Amino acid sequence: AQSVSQHNHHVILSEAASLELGCNYSYGGTVNLFWYVQYPGQHLQLLLKYFSGDPLVKGIKGFEAEFIKSKFSFNLRKPSVQWSDTAEYFCAVKDTGRRALTFGSGTRLQVQP
Amino acid sequence: SAVISQKPSRDICQRGTSLTIQCQVDSQVTMMFWYRQQPGQSLTLIATANQGSEATYESGFVIDKFPISRPNLTFSTLTVSNMSPEDSSIYLCSVISTDTQYFGPGTRLTVL
Repeated sequence: AQSVSQHNHHVILSEAASLELGCNYSYGGTVNLFWYVQYPGQHLQLLLKYFSGDPLVKGIKGFEAEFIKSKFSFNLRKPSVQWSDTAEYFCAVKDTGRRALTFGSGTRLQVQP
Repeated sequence: SAVISQKPSRDICQRGTSLTIQCQVDSQVTMMFWYRQQPGQSLTLIATANQGSEATYESGFVIDKFPISRPNLTFSTLTVSNMSPEDSSIYLCSVISTDTQYFGPGTRLTVL
């Protein structure tokens, strides 16, 4: 079965620090990749997605992610985080055989002012 | 995009009772999904609900415990039956629109 791994469970950064959150998936076929964010008290929102083409994807709020097929990875990055980026971040994968997403365990990001 | 609302937003229930959660979408969608997010864990798919057919359940979830209705293309319900404290969780409704999956605000359920 397909699985998604997020190795960083809790990350604490100071404002202006750079961010990279890891995401690896197990499916060997064609996949669509997503990052979602859940701000405190709010529902899940889409940050960015990758379907095909340029493996470097830019999303909202200055986030980007890079798809590296050989590593089965889709890491999320932001050059300079803000206090308002404090949230939980979920990586998700959809393979061609399923309609619904499979989620990673999530990474809680805490940005200190 | 799709805007999804859920009712109730939260509830506290007694063991052995049942709760029905409603999901309303602002546009017609073919597929709706129900997820569970247990405390400190990720989202787990419970079932896929298509209009006009029975829901498809994931491994570990059964219709007797989580009956689902899908009477039309904008609405679905999930019932959590014969609840136990292990059912305490956030239940989320989700739909696909233009190749992207959108989520409702969730229903936070606490079972005492």
